[in-house]
Amino acid sequence: QKEVEQNSGPLSVPEGAIASLNCTYSDRGSQSFFWYRQYSGKSPELIMFIYSNGDKEDGRFTAQLNKASQYVSLLIRDSQPSDSATYLCAVTAYYGGSQGNLIFGKGTKLSVKP
Amino acid sequence: GAGVSQTPSNKVTEKGKYVELRCDPISGHTALYWYRQSLGQGPEFLIYFQGTGAADDSGLPNDRFFAVRPEGSVSTLKIQRTERGDSAVYLCASSSGGAGTDTQYFGPGTRLTVL
Repeated sequence: QKEVEQNSGPLSVPEGAIASLNCTYSDRGSQSFFWYRQYSGKSPELIMFIYSNGDKEDGRFTAQLNKASQYVSLLIRDSQPSDSATYLCAVTAYYGGSQGNLIFGKGTKLSVKP
Repeated sequence: GAGVSQTPSNKVTEKGKYVELRCDPISGHTALYWYRQSLGQGPEFLIYFQGTGAADDSGLPNDRFFAVRPEGSVSTLKIQRTERGDSAVYLCASSSGGAGTDTQYFGPGTRLTVL
């Protein structure tokens, strides 16, 4: 059973702080890793993806991947109240060169307090 | 351009009825996915189409669930003899289907309520 684990939260941080969201996965064959943001009552929207070990930065967001530890994280710098949402970690593998379905964690609920 | 669209946005039905949920992917996207999301859970994979064919239907929970994509664009998820446990948000996603990291874009979902 391929699993993705996330702390369900809620994670509460003050405005302007760094929010750190973590995710572990069970399948060592996983090759691409995604962070989606989901506002209440809305569908998931992609924040960023990573597939190489190390850090990847995009604006206020940094994704970190450690395949040896099977660990992915998302850092949000200068957190804003508008960042308050559920953050979903998802992983996938490739089959015959094409990407397969995403396996999602349950999500971490982030609350940024003004 | 237009994103993924899904209809209806809400569907209320009675136990035992048949329902169809429609997904219209982003134009040109060859890969189409169906997921189901229950309250407090992440999306759960149901089925994946590459073109007209189901490349992976391992997530369909039982034979009451069936999906088609006859012309390689619009897809319909069909649920027979609905049960209360089928109540969830059904999400459709599409992607370009190319090699390498392939971003899936989600539609707004259909909220299904089985009474």
